[in-house]
Amino acid sequence: DIQMTQSPSSLSASVGDRVTITCRASQSISNYLNWYQQKPGKAPKVLIYAASSLHSGVPLRFSGTGSGTDFTLTISSLQPEDFATYYCQQGYSAPITFGQGTRLEIK
Amino acid sequence: QVQVVQSGAEVKKPGASVRVSCKASGYTFNGYYIHWVRQAPGQGLEWMGWINPNSGDSHLEQKFQVRVTMTRDTSMSTAYMELNRLTSDDTAVYYCARLHVIASTGVFDYWGQGTLVTVSS
Repeated sequence: DIQMTQSPSSLSASVGDRVTITCRASQSISNYLNWYQQKPGKAPKVLIYAASSLHSGVPLRFSGTGSGTDFTLTISSLQPEDFATYYCQQGYSAPITFGQGTRLEIK
Repeated sequence: QVQVVQSGAEVKKPGASVRVSCKASGYTFNGYYIHWVRQAPGQGLEWMGWINPNSGDSHLEQKFQVRVTMTRDTSMSTAYMELNRLTSDDTAVYYCARLHVIASTGVFDYWGQGTLVTVSS
C-alpha cells in the first residue's frame, strides 16, 4: 500500500497568513494526488485534483504543486472560513489512501 | 444539481450488521463509480472500496473483504454498503462519494452527508 504522510499534523496561523502543507508519498504517484478540506461534522470537499488543478468553485487563494512523491498545498492568504482539516489522497493505485490530515487552527 | 443523500444514523450491538444507503440524483447514476470511506471519531479518512453501478462489480480494501458487501439498485439510483459482525472498532461516520474522472485522474467530487454508525452493547 502507498503511505501518505502529511506535515505538519497541526498548524496555527492568523487570518491573512500564507500557509503551506506538505504531503509525501511512499512511492512515486505521478500527479495522482488530490487535496480535500473537511470542517467539523461535514463531509470532505475537494480543493485540488491532479496535484495542481483547482476544482470548480474553489477560491484562487488555494494552489497545489508537486509530482512524484512530494506535494504541497498552499493557501496564499488565510480567510476565516479556511480553518479546517486538510487531507491529501492518492489515486495512483489501490487501495486508495489518505494522509493523516493537517488541522489548521486560528492563532 | 447533483445530490448524494445517505440514510440516517444507526446504533447497533456488537455482532450485528448494518446497511447504509446512498441515494444519488441530478446525474446519470450508472456513469460514476461510488466509493465508501469511513472516519472513526477524531480520526482520519479510511477508504473501504467501490462499486460500479453499471455492472454491479465491486472492489473492497483487503481488510473489509470478509465483512463488507456493496450493492446497488439502479432503479432507485441507490448504492448500499453492508457491514457484518460489527465491533466497537466499526464505530465511525460512513461516507459514500462519487468518483469523477477528470484529466485521467479520479477525484471524489460529491459526497454524501455521512452516516454515523455506533456499535455499543
